[in-house]
Amino acid sequence: GNSVTQMEGPVTLSEEAFLTINCTYTATGYPSLFWYVQYPGEGLQLLLKATKADDKGSNKGFEATYRKETTSFHLEKGSVQVSDSAVYFCALRLTGGGNKLTFGTGTQLKVEL
Amino acid sequence: SAVISQKPSRDICQRGTSLTIQCQVDSQVTMMFWYRQQPGQSLTLIATANQGSEATYESGFVIDKFPISRPNLTFSTLTVSNMSPEDSSIYLCSSTGGRTDTQYFGPGTRLTVL
Repeated sequence: GNSVTQMEGPVTLSEEAFLTINCTYTATGYPSLFWYVQYPGEGLQLLLKATKADDKGSNKGFEATYRKETTSFHLEKGSVQVSDSAVYFCALRLTGGGNKLTFGTGTQLKVEL
Repeated sequence: SAVISQKPSRDICQRGTSLTIQCQVDSQVTMMFWYRQQPGQSLTLIATANQGSEATYESGFVIDKFPISRPNLTFSTLTVSNMSPEDSSIYLCSSTGGRTDTQYFGPGTRLTVL
């Protein structure tokens, strides 16, 4: 079946540190890949996406590259801020899959001064 | 992007009762979905709300427990029936359609069942 595996959290970093949150997937076919962010007390917001191999999604300083050969979509940011503290979800959607999203378990990020 | 609102934002309910959650989208959308996010867990799709026909439920979810309505292209309801403490979760509505197939989410309804 289709699944998404994320690194477990919480991840605690100091402000301005480099961030990587790993995400790998298993899917039949060629999925689109997404990162969603959930700030405390809020709903999910789309952070970035990539729809085919080697695409790079980017937004708000975050980046992720769709790596078909390693079935990965790792999230990176060069310098995190306290305001980036949130839960990050990796997700996939299969083409022709009725727009259903399959989510990873989420990774909590805490950024401290 | 679609703006999605949900009511109520939170509720505390007694076991055995039912709660209906409303989801309103600010534009006509093709598809609407209901997800559950149990404490400390990821999101699990409950069902796809189909306009004018019965919802399509995922494995492990049934209509008797989670009846869903979608009377038009901008509105849907999810009812959590005969609640037990295990139903304590955040319930999220999402939609896709219009100019983009990106899925947008509502703020969620935090349900606590005592």
